[in-house]
Amino acid sequence: ELKVEQNPLFLSMQEGKNYTIYCNYSTTSDRLYWYRQDPGKSLESLFVLLSNGAVKQEGRLMASLDTKARLSTLHITAAVHDLSATYFCAVDAHNNNDMRFGAGTRLTVKP
Amino acid sequence: DAGVIQSPRHEVTEMGQEVTLRCKPISGHDYLFWYRQTMMRGLELLIYFNNNVPIDDSGMPEDRFSAKMPNASFSTLKIQPSEPRDSAVYFCASSLVGANYYEQYFGPGTRLTVT
Repeated sequence: ELKVEQNPLFLSMQEGKNYTIYCNYSTTSDRLYWYRQDPGKSLESLFVLLSNGAVKQEGRLMASLDTKARLSTLHITAAVHDLSATYFCAVDAHNNNDMRFGAGTRLTVKP
Repeated sequence: DAGVIQSPRHEVTEMGQEVTLRCKPISGHDYLFWYRQTMMRGLELLIYFNNNVPIDDSGMPEDRFSAKMPNASFSTLKIQPSEPRDSAVYFCASSLVGANYYEQYFGPGTRLTVT
């Protein structure tokens, strides 16, 4: 069974600092998704990574995918309070829309 | 487009009652998913449909749960009888194959409380 593991699960960081969230998965896949969820809200799609070496950037967030290592990272640059949310990675192992989500990383950015 | 629409947004019911959650996917999307989110178990896929046909219901916790999709624009998730452990946020999502990938769009969720 496909397992998707994120770490850390909780992350508290100061504004202006950099940090990386990791997403490991247990089976071959070249389709990985990152979502953001604000407290009490729904999930919002951030990035879709479709091949080994794929890198996507939006503002202070950059996501990358290494399919050989079965690893995706979400890098946060110069964090601001507005980035406080829970971030989920999801893997579509069979390219059939059957996605499995990680447990989520709850990010808190403090002034 | 209005996005995925779910109703009700909040539901409070007593144990043993029947609960029906509703979802309208984004027009033109041919996949529909039901998820459950709790603090303890995170986000769990319950069932998903392709072109109104259930493809995988292995995530449905037990026979008390059932889901239907009578047409391309409507789906229901029913719990009968409901139990306190069913309390969770239930999300519906839809997607369409595009450029060889599937990006799921989530609805606002239904927060269910069973007392």
